[in-house]
Amino acid sequence: AQSVTQPDIHITVSEGASLELRCNYSYGATPYLFWYVQSPGQGLQLLLKYFSGDTLVQGIKGFEAEFKRSQSSFNLRKPSVHWSDAAEYFCAVGANQAGTALIFGKGTTLSVSS
Amino acid sequence: EAQVTQNPRYLITVTGKKLTVTCSQNMNHEYMSWYRQDPGLGLRQIYYSMNVEVTDKGDVPEGYKVSRKEKRNFPLILESPSPNQTSLYFCASSFGGTNYNEQFFGPGTRLTVL
Repeated sequence: AQSVTQPDIHITVSEGASLELRCNYSYGATPYLFWYVQSPGQGLQLLLKYFSGDTLVQGIKGFEAEFKRSQSSFNLRKPSVHWSDAAEYFCAVGANQAGTALIFGKGTTLSVSS
Repeated sequence: EAQVTQNPRYLITVTGKKLTVTCSQNMNHEYMSWYRQDPGLGLRQIYYSMNVEVTDKGDVPEGYKVSRKEKRNFPLILESPSPNQTSLYFCASSFGGTNYNEQFFGPGTRLTVL
């Protein structure tokens, strides 16, 4: 069955430091992969997605993610974190070819220290 | 302004008292979905709709009903709420009958069932 694992429940990063949030997926076919961000008290917002092609995907707010099929990973990165990046981040995988179901990971909470 | 609205935003109710959470989007999106978010469990899909009069179960549909009589509205109905349905609920919509396109999320409805 399809699944998504985000190994880190909570990460704290200093402002200006680089960030990497991990995501591992389980899916038999070519995966559709997503990263969403949830700011406190808000709904989710799409950061980026990968369907095919270039394995390094650029998103909004300076984020990028790299798809590595051999490692079943889709890690999210940002070279320099800002205090406003403090939020909860969710990785998701498309669970069927019909495009009707996403499986979300349990999320990683990012705190940014000054 | 393009948006997904949910009402109410907060609701405290008692076991067995039927309730409806409304969801409306003004983007002419075909796909709409309901999720619940629980601590440590991430988001889980309750029901989705690919278009008017087309609905299907997600991962956790028990105890919920939905309808899609108009393209813009997708209400979530709890006919006999129970305490295990205490949760944060999100409605989302996306273009093209699939949630592999960017989903736009509502602000959430925090439901407490006593």
